[in-house]
This record gives sequence, structure tokens and C-alpha cells, in this order.
Amino acid sequence: AQKVTQAQTEISVVEKEDVTLDCVYETRDTTYYLFWYKQPPSGELVFLIRRNSFDEQNEISGRYSWNFQKSTSSFNFTITASQVVDSAVYFCAQRGTSYGKLTFGQGTILTVHP
Amino acid sequence: GAVVSQHPSRVICKSGTSVKIECRSLDFQATTMFWYRQFPKQSLMLMATSNEGSKATYEQGVEKDKFLINHASLTLSTLTVTSAHPEDSSFYICSANLEHTGELFFGEGSRLTVL
Repeated sequence: AQKVTQAQTEISVVEKEDVTLDCVYETRDTTYYLFWYKQPPSGELVFLIRRNSFDEQNEISGRYSWNFQKSTSSFNFTITASQVVDSAVYFCAQRGTSYGKLTFGQGTILTVHP
Repeated sequence: GAVVSQHPSRVICKSGTSVKIECRSLDFQATTMFWYRQFPKQSLMLMATSNEGSKATYEQGVEKDKFLINHASLTLSTLTVTSAHPEDSSFYICSANLEHTGELFFGEGSRLTVL
């Protein structure tokens, strides 16, 4: 069985602060994919990143960066110099060998105050 | 890029009525689509896997007679909430994947409110 845990239910920061959203996963699959999605108040899921289990390189995309550590089964997401527009619910998710079937974490509500 | 579209985006209905939600892959064929449900302030939970030309596969605890899924073509899956009740009020999201790349695309979601 797969499980994704986002221990932080809510995070509140002031604009320009850096913030890290934690994600820990459990799986018995040797090949798997990890995802991060952003869900603004409108509800649609905005894809942020997909990482496969064989690629442990960290990734940076603008103000976003991701730290994948297989040894601790973690896939953390950092937003640098946060902005009000970053306020949303962020979901970490995992997919095993079954295409399309994602297991989502509980989500972290991020609020960035001006 | 590939797009998945859902319709309607919002629907309000009376208790006891049935509601149909459509999920379309706009520029690719999807033999498999997925339906998720999200209650307010909660995570997304997979309800069922929709298979083109065959019966859907439901997750444990999801009533197949309550949530009818039809995947009659390679670009359309429908979810019908039968005899809806207020506890069925939720955000329903579908997804489909590009099979040769594994990329996954989500629809915009459909917010159902049952009065």
C-alpha cells in the first residue's frame, strides 16, 4: 500500500520569506513517481513537478525547488521569497506502477501575508 | 499540450435527482481515466478507474450503483451521481494519462452541491 504524509496542515508566512513544505511517502514499489500540485481557491490542480524514483537530483525552477531524498523517503518543496500569489493548498502525491492512480497527501494550506 | 476538460464546472441539484459529469480528453485518446472526490478542506481520494469499453474499477468503499461510470469512447468518461443526497456534495475531478509518456492531466473539476 502507498501512503503520502504531509505533516504540516497549515503554514502562514509573510511575503518574501522562504517556506518549505514537507512530504514523506511510503511504497513497496521499486519504481515510482512523485508529484507536487498546487490547488488555488478555484479548485483546479496545477501541476508543479514530477520526479521518478531513479532521479534523485534536486531541481530548481525559478523560486521553486525540490529536495528528493530516497534514504528518508522524502520529497520536500521549497518556495523562495514567497509571494501572496503562492497562497494555495499544495499536495504531494505518489504514483506506483499503475498509470494514473495517484495517492495524495493530506495537503498543506499555505497562506502568504503581504 | 494535452488538455482534459470537465463539464459542468458547477452544479446544484435537489436531493434525489441524478447528476452527470463529463470528462473529455480534448486532443488525445485515453483508454483509462480516473475519478477523484475531494470533500471541503480534505485531500483527493480516488473513487474509480474508468476503462474504455469495459466496466469501471471502484475503490473500496465506493458504491458502484451510486456512482455510475461510463467510458463509451476513447475521449469521454462520464460520472453519474444517482439519487444524490447532501452528503454527496463534493468536488469531483477526473484525470487521464498520455499512455506513451505517462504524463497525467487533470480536469478543472466539478463542484456538486446537493440541496
